Amino acid sequence: QLQLQESGPGLVKPSETLSLTCTVSSGSISSSNYYWAWIRQPPGKGLEWIGSIYYSGSSYYTPSLKSRVTISVDTSDNQFSLRLSSVTAADTAVYYCARHRRGVGNSRYGSVYYYSGMDVWGQGTTVTVFS
Amino acid sequence: DIVMTQSPLSLPVTPGEPASLSCRSSQSLLHSTGKNSLDWYLQKPGQSPQLLIYLGSNRASGVPDRFSGSGSGTDFTLKISRVEAEDVGIYYCMQTLQTPITFGQGTRLEIK
Repeated sequence: QLQLQESGPGLVKPSETLSLTCTVSSGSISSSNYYWAWIRQPPGKGLEWIGSIYYSGSSYYTPSLKSRVTISVDTSDNQFSLRLSSVTAADTAVYYCARHRRGVGNSRYGSVYYYSGMDVWGQGTTVTVFS
Repeated sequence: DIVMTQSPLSLPVTPGEPASLSCRSSQSLLHSTGKNSLDWYLQKPGQSPQLLIYLGSNRASGVPDRFSGSGSGTDFTLKISRVEAEDVGIYYCMQTLQTPITFGQGTRLEIK
């Protein structure tokens, strides 16, 4: 059964760059059926989608973080990574990686993609921005 | 951005009783394929979120059949036919019709 594991520093200083990696095990990141996502959850708050990437490198980011976020993929190591620059205390959160299923369906426009759930999640890693 | 609004924010339920959670979107989530781009997740205390329902009404693998999802367009409902103690946690709806993907603020289900 495919598993995801986040790794990276638990403490980051203000203005520095947060770097996390999600390792995919018991499965391949190079599947046409999935995107790979980062989601975060500040202490006591709800879930926030950060961005997603396809194994080809195609990526999407949430606009509020787009200027500071880079998500990359390494198919040889079966990993994808998150970099968030110029962090502040507001970036303190549990960071999750997840697998996002993608399907193909028929519409009046022809074949189109749709998404059908983030079905596998990592255990999450806590990142604290602290000087 | 599509805004997702859940209600109630807190839901105390007696074990064995049913529960109904609501999720409304600021825009229709009806995809051009006719599917609704709406998922439900449960985050149990101290755990990662887990997928319960995808595309509005499809139960994820391993999810008990006491969970069901319904609705279309902008109004969606998650129903639990008979609440069990293990159902405690925060339930989130999430839309994937367009980016940015957005979540509701969550409904906290607790046992009376």
